[in-house]
Amino acid sequence: AQSVTQLDSQVPVFEEAPVELRCNYSSSVSVYLFWYVQYPNQGLQLLLKYLSGSTLVKGINGFEAEFNKSQTSFHLRKPSVHISDTAEYFCAVSETGNFNKFYFGSGTKLNVKP
Amino acid sequence: DTAVSQTPKYLVTQMGNDKSIKCEQNLGHDTMYWYKQDSKKFLKIMFSYNNKELIINETVPNRFSPKSPDKAHLNLHINSLELGDSAVYFCASSHAYEQYFGPGTRLTVT
Repeated sequence: AQSVTQLDSQVPVFEEAPVELRCNYSSSVSVYLFWYVQYPNQGLQLLLKYLSGSTLVKGINGFEAEFNKSQTSFHLRKPSVHISDTAEYFCAVSETGNFNKFYFGSGTKLNVKP
Repeated sequence: DTAVSQTPKYLVTQMGNDKSIKCEQNLGHDTMYWYKQDSKKFLKIMFSYNNKELIINETVPNRFSPKSPDKAHLNLHINSLELGDSAVYFCASSHAYEQYFGPGTRLTVT
């Protein structure tokens, strides 16, 4: 079975500062990795995904994530955050070959302060 | 046009009642899901349908019954509602590895 751990439940940061949201996973099989963002009172929206190829993945809104197989991590980063980035961020995994089932982390609340 | 829509957006009801939540997607996807998000924001898959066939049924009380009349619709019926059913329920559809979520239905059981 797969599991996803997001180490920080909340991350406060000042506007224009860099941020990193951490995600670690455990799996006995190969996985695909995702980051989703949830703005208040909305559904989840895909930020970026890693399926194969380059381990550095770029997504929407200036976010990027790096897949590290040896560390079983997929941390999300942004060099300079905006107030509008305030949201809940979810890391998720899916088994390669079983794309119907997704496992989500518990979420990290990014709170960007002016 | 809304890709994945859910109705109602809010649902307040009393314990013991039966209620339904409807979901529709206009993306032409074959696979649809129901997720439950609890008060701590933890998101857990409940059911998944592929072309109207049930393919994932997690450990969910049998008071919850999904129904897919066609591949664009996946409804969730809940019998004998309990306080612990209070949560936000999300419908989603997917194509390959990309999931698209609806706006959620906030269910409050009093």
